[in-house]
Amino acid sequence: GAVVSQHPSRVICKSGTSVKIECRSLDFQATTMFWYRQFPKQSLMLMATSNEGSKATYEQGVEKDKFLINHASLTLSTLTVTSAHPEDSSFYICSARLAGRGELFFGEGSRLTVL
Amino acid sequence: AQSVSQHNHHVILSEAASLELGCNYSYGGTVNLFWYVQYPGQHLQLLLKYFSGDPLVKGIKGFEAEFIKSKFSFNLRKPSVQWSDTAEYFCAFPGYSSASKIIFGSGTRLSIRP
Repeated sequence: GAVVSQHPSRVICKSGTSVKIECRSLDFQATTMFWYRQFPKQSLMLMATSNEGSKATYEQGVEKDKFLINHASLTLSTLTVTSAHPEDSSFYICSARLAGRGELFFGEGSRLTVL
Repeated sequence: AQSVSQHNHHVILSEAASLELGCNYSYGGTVNLFWYVQYPGQHLQLLLKYFSGDPLVKGIKGFEAEFIKSKFSFNLRKPSVQWSDTAEYFCAFPGYSSASKIIFGSGTRLSIRP
């Protein structure tokens, strides 16, 4: 199956700093990637849709200036949490849809802890 | 609006028991539906999917799901669960263009007693 890789898997940072999370499709090209946030014991919440070569589409209630998404190539999307605060601590997951198939392939997730 | 709901939040079963997890969707048109599983500490992965054709879909690890259009349901079943089935299960409902988002249900945590 298609492989999606996220890095880093865990990151701890101080409040006020920015953190970048990478999402790569290793063996296929992904024109569209998705970023989700998962709180403990809750479902995935779609944050934004990342489109290669264009601006991301953010879901209602997600601050675009807080969560910067860049999809510069067909195999890489990045999520930058700017000026992170403890309430941003969460598990962030990316996914990519393989062209011509409906299902998503997920990265392993990145756990962000903001002190 | 499109939505998907899972009413079972936490299901606890003994090994060899039969399983059925509910999933209902809200959409008036043609649907595609998925079940994803997240084992402890692992990625989300696809269990099975329904696109068209036979409404009874077979997936990995002995799971199956039946699409019942009249009930707007896509329940997940397994005749005999194992301890290794302990995981979080998500029903999902995608859009139809390459850029469409996927809507996830709230998830059902399945705990299997050895």
